[in-house]
Amino acid sequence: QKEVEQNSGPLSVPEGAIASLNCTYSDRGSQSFFWYRQYSGKSPELIMSIYSNGDKEDGRFTAQLNKASQYVSLLIRDSQPSDSATYLCAVRGWSATNKLIFGTGTLLAVQP
Amino acid sequence: NAGVTQTPKFQVLKTGQSMTLQCAQDMNHNSMYWYRQDPGMGLRLIYYSASEGTTDKGEVPNGYNVSRLNKREFSLRLESAAPSQTSVYFCASSENRGNTGELFFGEGSRLTVL
Repeated sequence: QKEVEQNSGPLSVPEGAIASLNCTYSDRGSQSFFWYRQYSGKSPELIMSIYSNGDKEDGRFTAQLNKASQYVSLLIRDSQPSDSATYLCAVRGWSATNKLIFGTGTLLAVQP
Repeated sequence: NAGVTQTPKFQVLKTGQSMTLQCAQDMNHNSMYWYRQDPGMGLRLIYYSASEGTTDKGEVPNGYNVSRLNKREFSLRLESAAPSQTSVYFCASSENRGNTGELFFGEGSRLTVL
């Protein structure tokens, strides 16, 4: 079992719709969870971080964490063509020195 | 503010050749990392340095060596390149204060081994 799993997609949504991206992780001791966005040919950039159960909202993005189910998700409201990218889920253990483990990413395509 | 700078951005090697990828950050971060990214495999950690003077193996260290030259610089060396090392390499740094975990990435180095 991979430590961090994501559906590779592509996930195709129409412009203006809500895009829902999901991630599961295997280490129950994980404490920090991150979503990175990566445009084709570019480097990843952090868009959301979440550390406690529940929802965290930042503009059009909402991260959701359920530690009991070992599940983290990212919702993108009012999706725009500029949101088309690969979204990487990353998970870190309890210590700041724990390594950040990345999923393989989900490719999102927002259709105009 | 340059952030994380990697060189070279592109390189073609023949099997058996050696090369060093250079990385420098100007954010005064303690931790630095080297990842490789391959289609369908995501980002895999090669080596990391939690602080100046320390280095540790990641998930895929075989065939690589690293040097944390000082707080700013962290290099990755391929002693005898193999076609399996064809990949995009990313250097990253983080402050690691508390457990924020935000990584700042360089632009990547695309390496092809023939």
